[in-house]
Amino acid sequence: QVHLQESGPGLVKPSETLSLICSVSRAPVSPYFWNWIRQPPGKGLEWLGYMSNRGSTNYNPSLKSRVAISVDASNNQVSLKLTSVTAADTAVYFCARDSGITVFGVGAFDYWGQGILVTVSS
Amino acid sequence: QSALTQPASVSGSPGQSITISCAGTNSDIGTYIFVSWYQQHPGKAPKLIIFDVSHRPSGVSDRFSGSKSGNTASLTISGLQAEDEADYYCTSYTNNNTPVFGGGTRLTVL
Repeated sequence: QVHLQESGPGLVKPSETLSLICSVSRAPVSPYFWNWIRQPPGKGLEWLGYMSNRGSTNYNPSLKSRVAISVDASNNQVSLKLTSVTAADTAVYFCARDSGITVFGVGAFDYWGQGILVTVSS
Repeated sequence: QSALTQPASVSGSPGQSITISCAGTNSDIGTYIFVSWYQQHPGKAPKLIIFDVSHRPSGVSDRFSGSKSGNTASLTISGLQAEDEADYYCTSYTNNNTPVFGGGTRLTVL
């Protein structure tokens, strides 16, 4: 069973860059789409973006200028960078795999990490 | 992109059936079959329970079913059990070539 584990700083200062890693075990990263999704405390889910199995990216239009997702196949990791953060970026951040259970890239995320809480505060 | 509209909460007694609606537009649910539903227990990651409007991933109980009519999708849970108490989220693919989530619905089993 594939396992996803998010890691990174739990506290980031305003205006700085949030950087997270999703380490994937028991399956290769290359064949799939890799997504980041976040959930502010007590609120709903927000899709941030994905990197496809061909290396292309697609981001939430509301965050497009601030977000970057990449995949490191050699280390079986997926990364997220979110620049110029504010308190509104405080959330639990999940990485999630799109295995193509249907068409790739349409919102069917069949494996998730446990999530990591990132707080933006000075 | 605007979030899909779900009721904030629904409730039901054990053994009953409940339905959660997910309202979208012609730019998302009304055009695409790519509607998914997720179940999230407190402090846990979401779990995919329905994809492509009405398909269940392997291992998901057949008490969960999905449907769509026009711009609205629905999740029905039959034979409610205590373990079904959770938050439920819908998603749909959109004309922006991106997925969008609903605001979430809290299900309480009375």
